Amino acid sequence: DAGVTQSPTHLIKTRGQHVTLRCSPISGHKSVSWYQQVLGQGPQFIFQYYEKEERGRGNFPDRFSARQFPNYSSELNVNALLLGDSALYLCASSLVVRSYNSPLHFGNGTRLTVT
Amino acid sequence: SQELEQSPQSLIVQEGKNLTINCTSSKTLYGLYWYKQKYGEGLIFLMMLQKGGEEKSHEKITAKLDEKKQQSSLHITASQPSHAGIYLCGADLPGADGLTFGKGTHLIIQP
Repeated sequence: DAGVTQSPTHLIKTRGQHVTLRCSPISGHKSVSWYQQVLGQGPQFIFQYYEKEERGRGNFPDRFSARQFPNYSSELNVNALLLGDSALYLCASSLVVRSYNSPLHFGNGTRLTVT
Repeated sequence: SQELEQSPQSLIVQEGKNLTINCTSSKTLYGLYWYKQKYGEGLIFLMMLQKGGEEKSHEKITAKLDEKKQQSSLHITASQPSHAGIYLCGADLPGADGLTFGKGTHLIIQP
């Protein structure tokens, strides 16, 4: 079975541009979460979506937005890119929102570099 | 301050030796998750602990959650080169959306 897939794998953007990252969850998983991992740090929670509705939001500015589609895939959008947005963006899927029997399964991430 | 503290930050261990990584929180954890990450790649789920005193094992890796549900340890027995990577603990914390992660422990296995 395919795991969580993310595209693109690498991306280079210029300050002020916007970017769209995409994620396809594991088949049967209805929840998708997004995390940002800066070099040397643990992942930081950005958003969680379940059944196309936002179910959680981390401490990120309004430049960050996301959505989930009827097929449960998801997009993360970042506007007005800053140098500090350079990071590995991880998508994770799970069966439900917050069940202790439904751990997050992560994709390999999108490496975003802002110059 | 970091809500989840991992120690040590890095660890160099000779192949075949045992090692322990710790994860500590000032708050009671609803759930504690251990992940492994190869440099620049995604996180691989290892184990999930929910109940105080719970212990789980998979192959040569054992994870424990203390009775107060504020500290977890990950123990690797007879380490192998395949164990090298970054080990991250993540937790459901009260009042927080999503998982909160520690900074990770970099494990290097010397042949």
